[in-house]
Amino acid sequence: DGGITQSPKYLFRKEGQNVTLSCEQNLNHDAMYWYRQDPGQGLRLIYYSQIVNDFQKGDIAEGYSVSREKKESFPLTVTSAQKNPTAFYLCATKTGTSGGTYEQYFGPGTRLTVT
Amino acid sequence: GESVGLHLPTLSVQEGDNSIINCAYSNSASDYFIWYKQESGKGPQFIIDIRSNMDKRQGQRVTVLLNKTVKHLSLQIAATQPGDSAVYFCAENRGSFKTIFGAGTRLFVKA
Repeated sequence: DGGITQSPKYLFRKEGQNVTLSCEQNLNHDAMYWYRQDPGQGLRLIYYSQIVNDFQKGDIAEGYSVSREKKESFPLTVTSAQKNPTAFYLCATKTGTSGGTYEQYFGPGTRLTVT
Repeated sequence: GESVGLHLPTLSVQEGDNSIINCAYSNSASDYFIWYKQESGKGPQFIIDIRSNMDKRQGQRVTVLLNKTVKHLSLQIAATQPGDSAVYFCAENRGSFKTIFGAGTRLFVKA
């Protein structure tokens, strides 16, 4: 999981509550990402950020919000507007060096359960 | 729409045999492909990558083959071990910052 911390590993919330998932990295990577993974499925992009104070919506941004105030941190808030928030959430980073390798580095994930 | 997909959702192999995991992609303009391994309850880990100007790349016990004519990607694992049991994702790079992941293939290794 190399330098990416997601906390907590398991999170339980009641329906109607907002919840914020933490992602911190010490890899000095420019780009950070949030993905959602449902059982037996692939990764779907929620939001991504290429540099500090800038971020873009991914494929399933509705009901989520992010901030990128520091290079090391990219928290994700799951709002009450997200209709089906129970899922495994993965944070990832990638070096922003142009022409470099494009692999992403993933954190250990946070499993969110909303009841 | 365009997508990166896998032919088989599950693959079961005997320990010691070779495994082949397949992936189809639809965006002929993609220039970089990656295979990731995800163990249960963990984040994906990079295994091997290949650029579109190559057709084969080898790592330790793993080989990736790229056939651009039919837009097909495969991951070969030699002498499969119990520790190889996981879900394997192929991913396609579309631009520097966005990666599209396939649905994944679950590999079971029988002892």
